[in-house]
Amino acid sequence: EPEVTQTPSHQVTQMGQEVILRCVPISNHLYFYWYRQILGQKVEFLVSFYNNEISEKSEIFDDQFSVERPDGSNFTLKIRSTKLEDSAMYFCASSSRTDTQYFGPGTRLTVL
Amino acid sequence: GNSVTQMEGPVTLSEEAFLTINCTYTATGYPSLFWYVQYPGEGLQLLLKATKADDKGSNKGFEATYRKETTSFHLEKGSVQVSDSAVYFCALSDKNTDKLIFGTGTRLQVFP
Repeated sequence: EPEVTQTPSHQVTQMGQEVILRCVPISNHLYFYWYRQILGQKVEFLVSFYNNEISEKSEIFDDQFSVERPDGSNFTLKIRSTKLEDSAMYFCASSSRTDTQYFGPGTRLTVL
Repeated sequence: GNSVTQMEGPVTLSEEAFLTINCTYTATGYPSLFWYVQYPGEGLQLLLKATKADDKGSNKGFEATYRKETTSFHLEKGSVQVSDSAVYFCALSDKNTDKLIFGTGTRLQVFP
């Protein structure tokens, strides 16, 4: 069964550094999403992406964040200058516009 | 705005006990409703969904019925197993935006 994959599984970085989180969505999907889950809290929507542009973004998704689909398979989330409060599990999801989003296993980001 | 409210956890049950996890929602229009499950150390997996009123979603012995009149989507299972121990998230998808809005999650612990 096709699945969403994410790399790395765990990323440790220093405050102020840039990080790029990578996702490979399910191959025939056209809608892509990033969510995050701060430890012990609810899963929060960050951004949705379709047709090479952002469809919607939350207030969390400020100028420090960007997304890109650099080729036909990858979907990336970049945080330009990480803050301690960016420490969280980041989930990528994709869908084929049937309401159902399929999630990857997540990348745990730790900012020191 | 749209929101999802779940019962507080943890829910602690013995094996073969009956499970109910309550979920209610607030939304404009007619959202799609989902239950996702997160096993320890893993990402979010879709458990079941319902897209319109009175629909029943079911999977792996779990069921939930979309109740428009009570704005609820309670998760039930007749006989839980130790392997069902996980965090369960109720979520809705607004058809206008298709981002998922999650509840806070309910941790289920099943003991032999």
